[in-house]
Order: sequence, then C-alpha cells, then structure tokens
Amino acid sequence: GNSVTQMEGPVTLSEEAFLTINCTYTATGYPSLFWYVQYPGEGLQLLLKATKADDKGSNKGFEATYRKETTSFHLEKGSVQVSDSAVYFCALKGSVRVNEKLTFGTGTRLTIIP
Amino acid sequence: EAGVTQSPTHLIKTRGQQVTLRCSPISGHTSVYWYQQALGLGLQFLLWYDEGEERNRGNFPPRFSGRQFPNYSSELNVNALELEDSALYLCASSLGQVGQETQYFGPGTRLLVL
Repeated sequence: GNSVTQMEGPVTLSEEAFLTINCTYTATGYPSLFWYVQYPGEGLQLLLKATKADDKGSNKGFEATYRKETTSFHLEKGSVQVSDSAVYFCALKGSVRVNEKLTFGTGTRLTIIP
Repeated sequence: EAGVTQSPTHLIKTRGQQVTLRCSPISGHTSVYWYQQALGLGLQFLLWYDEGEERNRGNFPPRFSGRQFPNYSSELNVNALELEDSALYLCASSLGQVGQETQYFGPGTRLLVL
C-alpha cells in the first residue's frame, strides 16, 4: 500500500535559518504529493502541491519538488519566520482512483526562535 | 468563498454515549472525507463520501458511520464512545473531477470522551 515517511521532529530553528523537512514516499503509479500545515488549535491548511514528476510546488516562500527517481518531496524555505511555527504534514494521494484518500506522514513540529 | 465548515468545534461526552459531527463542504465540491487525528497516532482516514454514496472506509470499527446528504453536507456518527475516540475529527472536501482532487480541510471538531 501507499506510505509516507517524514522527518521526525521536533525541529527548532532560529529566525532566518534555512529549513528542510524531508519526506519520502512509497506508492504505485503516479501519486500526487502535498504539504499541509497545522497551526496550533486549527485544522489543516494546504501549503503546496505537485501532481507529476519534476513539478515544483511553492507558496509563502516554501518550495518542494516532486522527485520520482528518489521518491521524495522535501519541503524547503530559505529564511524562516516565527510565524512559520506549526506542524507540517507530507501527504500522498494515490493515482489508482479519482479522489482516493490521502495518506499522511507523522507530521513534523517546527518551532522558530526569535 | 466559504471554506469547509464543521460543527460543533468542541464536544465532551462520556463513555458509551453517541455523537454526531457535521461538515459542510466548499460550494461545488461533491466529495467529503473524514479523518481522525488522535494524539500520537497521526492522521487516519475514516470515510469518504461522494454523490451521496460511501466510496471507501478506513480501518475503523462499524460504530463509526456516516452519511452524505443531497446538498453534499455530511455527518459522522460514532456510537458507544470509548476513551480512545478522543481526537480531533477533520472533514475535507474536493471536486469529484480528475485533476481537481485536492482536499481542503475544515477547522475540525475536538471530541473529548471521559
């Protein structure tokens, strides 16, 4: 079945540091890949997505590139801010059926220190 | 455009009781998904409804059930509540079209079972 392996946290960085959160996946076919963010006490917000190999998703300074050869979708940001403190989830949607369920990684808690 | 809405926001129940959670999808979305986010267990897929039909079900006991109404809103019912049902229940919706399957999440209902 499909699975997502996500870098374990928690991750603590200073403001303006470079961020990488690793995500690798196992799936048949050509899945779609997502990063969601969850701020304290809230639901999930879609951060970015990529639907085919070599696509780069980007939003709010965050980027992730769909690498089929390494089955990876690592999240990066060049200069983090305190407001980026949240839990980040990598997710995969299989390609076997339309509207298949999402399979999530375990989440990475990110804390940015001023 | 309004996002996915869920009610109630918080709920406290006792073991053995029954609970109903409600979700209204984004206007025009026909698919509704339910996920459970229990402490330490990550995000687990519960149910998927599309066009009024249950399309897929996660690895949960039959006391978790739901339905989708003609206006595409949905209910999640949990019978005979157990302590481990305490969790954040997230609803998501998406368009039922190929290439438009991104799931958008609501703020969740936080259930505490005592």
